[in-house]
Amino acid sequence: LAKTTQPISMDSYEGQEVNITCSHNNIATNDYITWYQQFPSQGPRFIIQGYKTKVTNEVASLFIPADRKSSTLSLPRVSLSDTAVYYCLVAPTYSGAGSYQLTFGKGTKLSVIP
Amino acid sequence: DTGVSQNPRHKITKRGQNVTFRCDPISEHNRLYWYRQTLGQGPEFLTYFQNEAQLEKSRLLSDRFSAERPKGSFSTLEIQRTEQGDSAMYLCASSLVNREETQYFGPGTRLLVL
Repeated sequence: LAKTTQPISMDSYEGQEVNITCSHNNIATNDYITWYQQFPSQGPRFIIQGYKTKVTNEVASLFIPADRKSSTLSLPRVSLSDTAVYYCLVAPTYSGAGSYQLTFGKGTKLSVIP
Repeated sequence: DTGVSQNPRHKITKRGQNVTFRCDPISEHNRLYWYRQTLGQGPEFLTYFQNEAQLEKSRLLSDRFSAERPKGSFSTLEIQRTEQGDSAMYLCASSLVNREETQYFGPGTRLLVL
């Protein structure tokens, strides 16, 4: 599995746009990039996934450059409730060949300040 | 609410006691996963089921740990002769076959071994 590197922590004021970048230099051709969000005392929650270029949903945007060696999760106009740990994961979509497990790093702890 | 549920949410036990946790996945999901998360770390894979079959176990799953999913619906995770090092959040997740990269997590069971 490709290793990911992301900042340990970030601070942001309410209302600002937050961009969290994840490096994955060894990403494979069939790997997708997935981001999970985890609030304190809760399980992780899937927020967005992409393969290349840009993906946007109601929660966030994901920007992936052409070389796919990094990705940036963008959270527009954060609020206090966006304070959480954000995990970047790189893994292939399921191939049907056996088990599938998510491999989490330590994530980025985002603190939103009033 | 049709999400993944886990019970109990919290468990305090004395070293050497046995504990059992339950996970009820999303009803149409036939894949079920157990993860363990310690403070400041991301979740770590323990084991997974497809329907009632346990198809993979991590090296983290010592002989004191056993998991079952007898009817392919809910699952239980039992820890025998608990040790202080077992203190952690135990997370359950479920997914559809062929959508394993998108796992839905429960709120977790926080275990404290005194």
